[in-house]
Amino acid sequence: GGIITQTPKFLIGQEGQKLTLKCQQNFNHDTMYWYRQDSGKGLRLIYYSITENDLQKGDLSEGYDASREKKSSFSLTVTSAQKNEMAVFLCASSLGHSNTGQLYFGEGSKLTVL
Amino acid sequence: GEKVEQHESTLSVREGDSAVINCTYTDTASSYFPWYKQEAGKSLHFVIDIRSNVDRKQSQRLTVLLDKKAKRFSLHITATQPEDSAIYFCAASPNTGYQNFYFGKGTSLTVIP
Repeated sequence: GGIITQTPKFLIGQEGQKLTLKCQQNFNHDTMYWYRQDSGKGLRLIYYSITENDLQKGDLSEGYDASREKKSSFSLTVTSAQKNEMAVFLCASSLGHSNTGQLYFGEGSKLTVL
Repeated sequence: GEKVEQHESTLSVREGDSAVINCTYTDTASSYFPWYKQEAGKSLHFVIDIRSNVDRKQSQRLTVLLDKKAKRFSLHITATQPEDSAIYFCAASPNTGYQNFYFGKGTSLTVIP
């Protein structure tokens, strides 16, 4: 089996700060995702990537950048943290764009902005 | 884009009873419908899925029904147990060839012993 590792697990930032979340997977999956989970709002897609160096915007991409420099890693940057923002960011991976298959999720990174 | 509505935000059942969670979607091109479970303090994990070429799929105590005409799918859990207590998310994937999943807002299921 594989695992998805997200770092850091908890991130506290200041308003206006640029913050970066990292995700590593050892499934050898092609596609990776970043979702934002807010209480009562479900999961909303920020970015996904179908292969190394590919980036696709989701519905919630404004205010975020992403980077997929290696197949195994996918990072997300909050370009300017919003005051009182609190959310959980979930990284996920799946086999590939040609195969509708299940997502494997990391444990999440919880962001708090003071 | 696709919109997935999950109709029950909370659901309580007695241990041993059945639970049903309903979702609807808007995009007729959606062809893959997975369900995920999130236990307290943990991340999501896959529980069951259904593809649009069938209208029913069962895995042990879980059954997923798909009504393409009504654009509705549902998760049925029989003989519920306390460990079934969790938030359940439905999702839909449009047939774009890429894995862009749209999630419902989640249903918090509580199984009362």
